[in-house]
Amino acid sequence: NAGVMQNPRHLVRRRGQEARLRCSPMKGHSHVYWYRQLPEEGLKFMVYLQKENIIDESGMPKERFSAEFPKEGPSILRIQQVVRGDSAAYFCASSPMGTSYEQYFGPGTRLTVT
Amino acid sequence: AQSVSQHNHHVILSEAASLELGCNYSYGGTVNLFWYVQYPGQHLQLLLKYFSGDPLVKGIKGFEAEFIKSKFSFNLRKPSVQWSDTAEYFCAVSVSGSARQLTFGSGTQLTVLP
Repeated sequence: NAGVMQNPRHLVRRRGQEARLRCSPMKGHSHVYWYRQLPEEGLKFMVYLQKENIIDESGMPKERFSAEFPKEGPSILRIQQVVRGDSAAYFCASSPMGTSYEQYFGPGTRLTVT
Repeated sequence: AQSVSQHNHHVILSEAASLELGCNYSYGGTVNLFWYVQYPGQHLQLLLKYFSGDPLVKGIKGFEAEFIKSKFSFNLRKPSVQWSDTAEYFCAVSVSGSARQLTFGSGTQLTVLP
C-alpha cells in the first residue's frame, strides 16, 4: 500500500522562478494538506484541499502561493516568483473521508532558492 | 487559535534511560492530540493519537502518552529508550469538529547515546 508520494524530493530554483511541488495522496484518501517547515521551526499549516475544492487556505501567504487538487492527478502547490525566504521543506499529508483526523505524511520536498 | 509548546528543544539520553517529552497546548475546546516522529532522512510517522476515552494512550514502539486535561498537557513517555529512538519528535493538535488542520509544536530532537 503506497504511502503519500511527493516529487521532486529536492528542488532548486533561482529567485524569480516558479516552483511546482506535487503530492499524490494515499490510495483511497480524498483530503490533502500542505505544511511548510522553515529552518529551526515546526511544521506550519498552509492549505487543506479536497478534490476540486479548497477547504481552508488560512495558512497560505496572500501572494505568490496557490494550491489545487484536480479531479484527476496529484495536488500541486505552486509558488510564483520565488524568493530566498521560500526555502523550506514542504510536506504534504493526506487523510481518508469521514471523521478520521489522522494525517499521513509524505517525505517532503526541500526547496532551495538561490 | 490554538498553539502548541514543546519546551525541550534537545534531549540527550543514554540507552535504557527513561524518557518524558513535554507538550502543552492552548485551546479551550475539545482537541485531538498526536505525537509524530521523524527519523533522520525519513518522513513524519504517527506514533500515537488521542481522540477521546482513556487518557493514557499507547502507541507504537513502546511509546505512550497521557492526556491531562486540567494541565492542557499530552506528554510522551517511554520507560527505556534505545539508540534507534534517536529522532525528532513533534506534538500536534487539531480541533475537534470540521477543522482538520494540525498545529505543531517546534519539535524535540532526541539523541540516544549507545
